Amino acid sequence: KQEVTQIPAALSVPEGENLVLNCSFTDSAIYNLQWFRQDPGKGLTSLLLIQSSQREQTSGRLNASLDKSSGRSTLYIAASQPGDSATYLCAVRNAGKSTFGDGTTLTVKP
Amino acid sequence: EAGVAQSPRYKIIEKRQSVAFWCNPISGHATLYWYQQILGQGPKLLIQFQNNGVVDDSQLPKDRFSAERLKGVDSTLKIQPAKLEDSAVYLCASSLFRAVANTGELFFGEGSRLTVL
Repeated sequence: KQEVTQIPAALSVPEGENLVLNCSFTDSAIYNLQWFRQDPGKGLTSLLLIQSSQREQTSGRLNASLDKSSGRSTLYIAASQPGDSATYLCAVRNAGKSTFGDGTTLTVKP
Repeated sequence: EAGVAQSPRYKIIEKRQSVAFWCNPISGHATLYWYQQILGQGPKLLIQFQNNGVVDDSQLPKDRFSAERLKGVDSTLKIQPAKLEDSAVYLCASSLFRAVANTGELFFGEGSRLTVL
């Protein structure tokens, strides 16, 4: 059974700082990994999708990496802004289903 | 392109009452998912449809939860009777079908927040 862990559960940084969010998973036989953002009271917004054959994906100030052998993915956010404050979740896709972590809640202080 | 539509956004009911949630996926997305998200946790899959067939309902509490997708487009999730522990956000997601283990990107709706008193 796949288990997905996101540590820390919460993170607070000053504006402008570069930061890394972590996602670890127990079963490396994955098809893809997807990072989402969730604002309070809202649904999940897809940020990046990394297929199992890829090592990283980039979108603007976001860069996600994937290391299947070690069961880890990181989401790098450059030059953080207060608008980046949200909960970030990763979802790992095995055959048939996606398993979500519980997320990291990020607060970027002005 | 319109996103995943869900309604209602909020619902408050008393325990033992019934409730229904509706979802309309992104046009052309053959796969539809219902997730339950309890505060502070990640979403947990309840049921997955491929067109109008059920692919996975192993985590659906079938004594009280039911879901259907009759015409392979929109879907309804019903809870009857509701319990206090059903208080959660019910998220609908859809994806394009991909032949390799159905690995399409997930797109979510805004969710339906249920409070059971």
